[in-house]
Amino acid sequence: QVQLVESGGGVVQPGRSLRLSCAASGFSFGSFALHWVRQAPGKGLDWVAFISYDGSVQNYADSVKGRFTISRDNSKNTLYLQMSSLRADDTSMFYCTRDYLGHFDSWGQGTLVTVSS
Amino acid sequence: DIVMTQTPLSSPVTLGQPASISCRSSHSLVHDDGNTYLSWLHQSPGQPPRLLIYKISNRFSGVPDRFSGSGAGTDFTLKISRVEAEDVGVYYCMQTTQFPYSFGQGTKLEI
Repeated sequence: QVQLVESGGGVVQPGRSLRLSCAASGFSFGSFALHWVRQAPGKGLDWVAFISYDGSVQNYADSVKGRFTISRDNSKNTLYLQMSSLRADDTSMFYCTRDYLGHFDSWGQGTLVTVSS
Repeated sequence: DIVMTQTPLSSPVTLGQPASISCRSSHSLVHDDGNTYLSWLHQSPGQPPRLLIYKISNRFSGVPDRFSGSGAGTDFTLKISRVEAEDVGVYYCMQTTQFPYSFGQGTKLEI
């Protein structure tokens, strides 16, 4: 079955960087677009970034543009989110999710990023 | 950017009774390809979201038929015909018609 497992979260100081990973299994990874979605504690869902099936196209929320970079390694079935210049308001659970013909049909359990000094 | 607005934000419900959530988008969600990319997701406490409905009215695999979606253009509705205990949590509408993709604020369904 489809499985998405995020990792790389933790506590990081403001201004520092962090890289999240999402390991995928159970499907043909290189055939699907993927996204990162985040959720601040007690808040709603917030779309962060998109990457096409082959990595050639990316798109970002304005709030992270220029600070976050989404990438993928189809040979390793892994999605990444490189986050830099982190701010307190980036504190969130980060989910990776699979895009199946325009809807998000599978979600990981999430990895928690806390930005605090 | 497309803003998604849900009503109500909180909905006390009674087991066995129907429930309804509305979602309105600031712009039409009809894509150039003719599809309307409006989805509904459910998030139980402490869990990731899960897909319920896609393209307005299509139930995702394994979703009970007590859930139904309807609407067009900018106005959409999720209905639960008879609420069960497992339906508590937060419901989100989301649009994937146009970047940046966006979610509604969420509607908390509580018994």
